Amino acid sequence: GQNIDQPTEMTATEGAIVQINCTYQTSGFNGLFWYQQHAGEAPTFLSYNVLDGLEEKGRFSSFLSRSKGYSYLLLKELQMKDSASYLCAVRGDYKLSFGAGTTVTVRA
Amino acid sequence: GAVVSQHPSRVICKSGTSVKIECRSLDFQATTMFWYRQFPKQSLMLMATSNEGSKATYEQGVEKDKFLINHASLTLSTLTVTSAHPEDSSFYICSARGDNLNTEAFFGQGTRLTVV
Repeated sequence: GQNIDQPTEMTATEGAIVQINCTYQTSGFNGLFWYQQHAGEAPTFLSYNVLDGLEEKGRFSSFLSRSKGYSYLLLKELQMKDSASYLCAVRGDYKLSFGAGTTVTVRA
Repeated sequence: GAVVSQHPSRVICKSGTSVKIECRSLDFQATTMFWYRQFPKQSLMLMATSNEGSKATYEQGVEKDKFLINHASLTLSTLTVTSAHPEDSSFYICSARGDNLNTEAFFGQGTRLTVV
């Protein structure tokens, strides 16, 4: 089976940094994805990691350690528009399995 | 990035009727399409996986006779919710993937279904 854990909620101040952790136990591993989802909208792709290490993409970075079954998404220079749900998803043998999502609230 | 178009974005139907939702890949051939359902404040739950030209594979607990999936071409998959009931009201989202497994799955815009 698939088990993907991430915190339910996080709050941070505009301009700050927030790190969202994700731990997983899955049958098969073919990459880990992070998505951003605003309320009532479909998820949008943020990052993809299949090898260990850090992937940086502008204000967002994602890290993966396959041996630890661990990833994090780092959001820098937070903006109000970053308030959203962030979904960690692991591709097993053929499908994506999603965590429950972390709701990030950015305060002024 | 690739574009996946889902239609309609919102639909309201009467209990007992059927609703069809379309998912199209606009600029790539989607060999695999996924259908998800998302209830409020919950994550995406995979309902079924469809490969072009073959029968869909349904996840445990998903009624295949109620949620009919057709993937007749490499750019189009449809989900039909048959004999809809109020408990079927949800956000339905499709995603599509090409041949390369190491590419992200692209999501459609989602369909908000309300059964009254």
